[in-house]
Amino acid sequence: DVKVTQSSRYLVKRTGEKVFLECVQDMDHENMFWYRQDPGLGLRLIYFSYDVKMKEKGDIPEGYSVSREKKERFSLILESASTNQTSMYLCASSKGGEQPQHFGDGTRLSIL
Amino acid sequence: GENVEQHPSTLSVQEGDSAVIKCTYSDSASNYFPWYKQELGKGPQLIIDIRSNVGEKKDQRIAVTLNKTAKHFSLHITETQPEDSAVYFCAASINNNDMRFGAGTRLTVKP
Repeated sequence: DVKVTQSSRYLVKRTGEKVFLECVQDMDHENMFWYRQDPGLGLRLIYFSYDVKMKEKGDIPEGYSVSREKKERFSLILESASTNQTSMYLCASSKGGEQPQHFGDGTRLSIL
Repeated sequence: GENVEQHPSTLSVQEGDSAVIKCTYSDSASNYFPWYKQELGKGPQLIIDIRSNVGEKKDQRIAVTLNKTAKHFSLHITETQPEDSAVYFCAASINNNDMRFGAGTRLTVKP
């Protein structure tokens, strides 16, 4: 079974802090994704990566950046956290050229 | 870009009844339509998917239908059980990097 692991289930940070969310997958998938999930809005794509060191903006990249130095790891970075970034963050991975996406259990991030 | 609408936002059924969730999409080039189930405290899990060259797909108590002309697809759950209670998401994509999700349906199955 595909395993997508997000390093933290819950995280509380302060406004202005630099925040790192980590995601690791164990199935040698080429594609990795970061979404945020808010009530009534479904899942919205922040960034995705289809290869090591490659990244593409999704629908809501503002205020975020990503890093993919190794194939199995995809990091989401909040450069200067703000309260409107309080949300559930979901990481996913998929085999290149194939679907579907496999999700981690999410990180619930609160920015105070 | 693609826009996916999902209805209803909440659905309550009696155990043993059927549940139907409907989604519409805007981009006729979309060719892949997965459905995900999200239980409390978990990430979304794929339960069934359908590609545009197929009109219907079934897996035990779950089925999905696709009408490409009308640009809508539906999830059907028969003989519902309490463990079917969860939030369900539909999605549509042209390629794997361009997936758009519906807003979700909270299904409650009452024993």
